[in-house]
Amino acid sequence: GAVVSQHPSWVICKSGTSVKIECRSLDFQATTMFWYRQFPKQSLMLMATSNEGSKATYEQGVEKDKFLINHASLTLSTLTVTSAHPEDSSFYICSAGAASKGIETQYFGPGTRLLVL
Amino acid sequence: GESVGLHLPTLSVQEGDNSIINCAYSNSASDYFIWYKQESGKGPQFIIDIRSNMDKRQGQRVTVLLNKTVKHLSLQIAATQPGDSAVYFCAETVSGGYNKLIFGAGTRLAVHP
Repeated sequence: GAVVSQHPSWVICKSGTSVKIECRSLDFQATTMFWYRQFPKQSLMLMATSNEGSKATYEQGVEKDKFLINHASLTLSTLTVTSAHPEDSSFYICSAGAASKGIETQYFGPGTRLLVL
Repeated sequence: GESVGLHLPTLSVQEGDNSIINCAYSNSASDYFIWYKQESGKGPQFIIDIRSNMDKRQGQRVTVLLNKTVKHLSLQIAATQPGDSAVYFCAETVSGGYNKLIFGAGTRLAVHP
């Protein structure tokens, strides 16, 4: 149980285009999902917390107008990188919150590798 | 700001040996800690967790130790196998709802035959 999927697994796009990444909880409902970014050989950095039916909460330094997050249902959150530039190239990982043995735990997706040319 | 850090960025061990990966945390309010394993090109995989009301928890071949006095966390892997080669992250959070995780810098574990 507690499987999270992401689509696409990798994407290459031209500079200036927008890219949408989907995060789905497959066998559970997640009121809260998280989006992380990870650069090579670095740790995961939280970008935003996404709550179903409400606006996302962005971490300091993350541009909300550039990284659009939508959490329209209990099983789907999307991250759209608008007007992508080469510096946005990174590994984007989502997680979904689920209660396990009384503790709220985050289950991670497999990640989406974005390369902006 | 507060952060979770690791003492060793890389760790090389021989197959069959025991591995110990360390982590220091600084947020005294954190009461829930998790170790994740991340293989190349994949998302983090949950290994084991521990709440602050415990100082030790064991899983299959893994043990997590928590020392709240010095704010230190460790992951012990028994009889390390080549499949254990990955980057290991500790993470801390405050329990009660889906609060954000603060990740450490990560330790790469390399297991040699």
